[in-house]
Amino acid sequence: TQLLEQSPQFLSIQEGENLTVYCNSSSVFSSLQWYRQEPGEGPVLLVTVVTGGEVKKLKRLTFQFGDARKDSSLHITAAQPGDTGLYLCAGAGGSGNTGKLIFGQGTTLQVKP
Amino acid sequence: GAGVSQSPSNKVTEKGKDVELRCDPISGHTALYWYRQSLGQGLEFLIYFQGNSAPDKSGLPSDRFSAERTGGSVSTLTIQRTQQEDSAVYLCASSLERQGHEQYFGPGTRLTVT
Repeated sequence: TQLLEQSPQFLSIQEGENLTVYCNSSSVFSSLQWYRQEPGEGPVLLVTVVTGGEVKKLKRLTFQFGDARKDSSLHITAAQPGDTGLYLCAGAGGSGNTGKLIFGQGTTLQVKP
Repeated sequence: GAGVSQSPSNKVTEKGKDVELRCDPISGHTALYWYRQSLGQGLEFLIYFQGNSAPDKSGLPSDRFSAERTGGSVSTLTIQRTQQEDSAVYLCASSLERQGHEQYFGPGTRLTVT
């Protein structure tokens, strides 16, 4: 069974601080996606990483896929209150290659002004 | 609209009743997924459709759960004889093709079983 361990589960920081969210597995994924979810809405795709060692940047957000494609991280620089939300990592490439996603437990981020 | 839509947005039902949840995927997306999101469990995969076929039903928690897709578009998730543990947000996602793996989610249906 493929599992994704996401940490930390909760993070409360002040505006302007930096933070990193980690997503780890013992399984290899063909790709890994990061989503952000607001209350009452579905997850919104932020980025997909496919190649081991890949780094993608989205404004103040930096996403990295591990060399072995088993882990990923999300780093936010100078967090803003608008970054508040639930961040989810999800791995693809499970058995049967149906494209179904295996999700981490999520990280609830609160950025205080 | 351009995105995935789901209806109803909220559903409150009594234990033992049947419910139907609907998903309208993005036009042209051949792959459709149902997930369930509950407190303490995170997001769990339920079922995957490619066209009208469901090659992966491995996430359906019991035989009370079923789903169908017609015309390669709309999908309905049916829960029979609902139980309190079925209370959750049911999310639908669609993808251009499974190999793309980039899934776009609807807003979900919040189901409460009383």
